[in-house]
Amino acid sequence: AQKITQTQPGMFVQEKEAVTLDCTYDTSDPSYGLFWYKQPSSGEMIFLIYQGSYDQQNATEGRYSLNFQKARKSANLVISASQLGDSAMYFCAMRYNTNAGKSTFGDGTTLTVKP
Amino acid sequence: ETGVTQSPTHLIKTRGQQVTLRCSSQSGHNTVSWYQQALGQGPQFIFQYYREEENGRGNFPPRFSGLQFPNYSSELNVNALELDDSALYLCASSLGQGITYEQYFGPGTRLTVT
Repeated sequence: AQKITQTQPGMFVQEKEAVTLDCTYDTSDPSYGLFWYKQPSSGEMIFLIYQGSYDQQNATEGRYSLNFQKARKSANLVISASQLGDSAMYFCAMRYNTNAGKSTFGDGTTLTVKP
Repeated sequence: ETGVTQSPTHLIKTRGQQVTLRCSSQSGHNTVSWYQQALGQGPQFIFQYYREEENGRGNFPPRFSGLQFPNYSSELNVNALELDDSALYLCASSLGQGITYEQYFGPGTRLTVT
């Protein structure tokens, strides 16, 4: 069964510092994609970053990077130089090629950036 | 903004009633997925439509049903509403079926069942 675990219900970070949000996953399928989304209080899911299971390098998108450790089945999100606007809920999700329309989400981490 | 729109924004219904939620996908996107997000939880996959056919379903009862139209817009219908159906309902559209196709989420419809 596919499962995403986010063990940090809430995290605090000082403005301009870096923060790591944890994500572990469970799967027996060799081909999958890992995604991170940001959900502000308005409710819309905003795509941040994608990592394919066969990608050799860790994904980066601006201030976001994904620390992908395949053997440990972890896909942690690193946000550098935190900004007040980064305060939101963050979700880790997984999709498979065999049912690519289905995303399996974790329960999320609430990030609060302090001035 | 992703270009995916949902209506209505908010809705209040009584237990036992029926509700229809609508999703207009981004232009050219032939795949639409629906999710239910209860308060404080991650979204749960309801089902997916690809070119007007349902081709994937999560662990939801048959009273959750849907449609996809030739223009790829979509509806989610829920019959015999229960209190636990209160949630944010999200739709997501994508250009194709593979995992490399990004899913674009709409702003959601917040349903309250009293």
